[in-house]
Amino acid sequence: DIQMTQSPSSLSASVGDRITITCRTSETISSNLNWYQQKPGRAPKVLIYAASSLQSGVPSRFSGSGSGTDFTLTISGLQPEDFATYYCQQTYGTPPFTFGPGTKVEI
Amino acid sequence: EVQLVESGGGLVKPGESLRLSCVASGFTFSSYSMNWVRQAPGKGPEWVSSISSSGYISYTDSVKGRFTISRDNAKHSVFLQMDSPRGDDSAVYYCARLDSNTWTFDSWGQGTRVTVSS
Repeated sequence: DIQMTQSPSSLSASVGDRITITCRTSETISSNLNWYQQKPGRAPKVLIYAASSLQSGVPSRFSGSGSGTDFTLTISGLQPEDFATYYCQQTYGTPPFTFGPGTKVEI
Repeated sequence: EVQLVESGGGLVKPGESLRLSCVASGFTFSSYSMNWVRQAPGKGPEWVSSISSSGYISYTDSVKGRFTISRDNAKHSVFLQMDSPRGDDSAVYYCARLDSNTWTFDSWGQGTRVTVSS
């Protein structure tokens, strides 16, 4: 199965900051990488699909890049509502569709 | 509006059984792959099982032989039969739809909590 790592596991930032989260996979997955945001007590929400495509309705301050095994999520101009936990997920080929361990973004 | 509503969670003893249900509305249920994803306290989401629109089934290794996924398209429902649950199966279980255009889990239910304890 494809293994996922994320870094950092947590970070502290301020409103207006630009932050970058990294996701690495154990095998090449082309661009089959998604990013989700999760807030406490809520289900995850899709932000980015296919590594760099913005999900409908998601603010343009979120962006994604990468292919192969290395991917990044960037938030340009953090807003108060962006403080949450972010997960990457690979959907390459057939299941299992693995999630990363998460990055908690704190004030 | 797409809606997924899970039910059936609760406290179950190790080795007993539990059946989770998810009722869908707002989309053509039979056309979508449906999934169960769980999340233990303080952990990331873990994909558990999927059943495609054509009935192809997959499981994560840790539940193979113990959990069974099924669907009833007439009732717009997907189920997860949990047999011989263990403590490490304790989690919030979410039903999630796979969007085959974006290959994302684009819609999720609110989750149902399962606690396995004697």
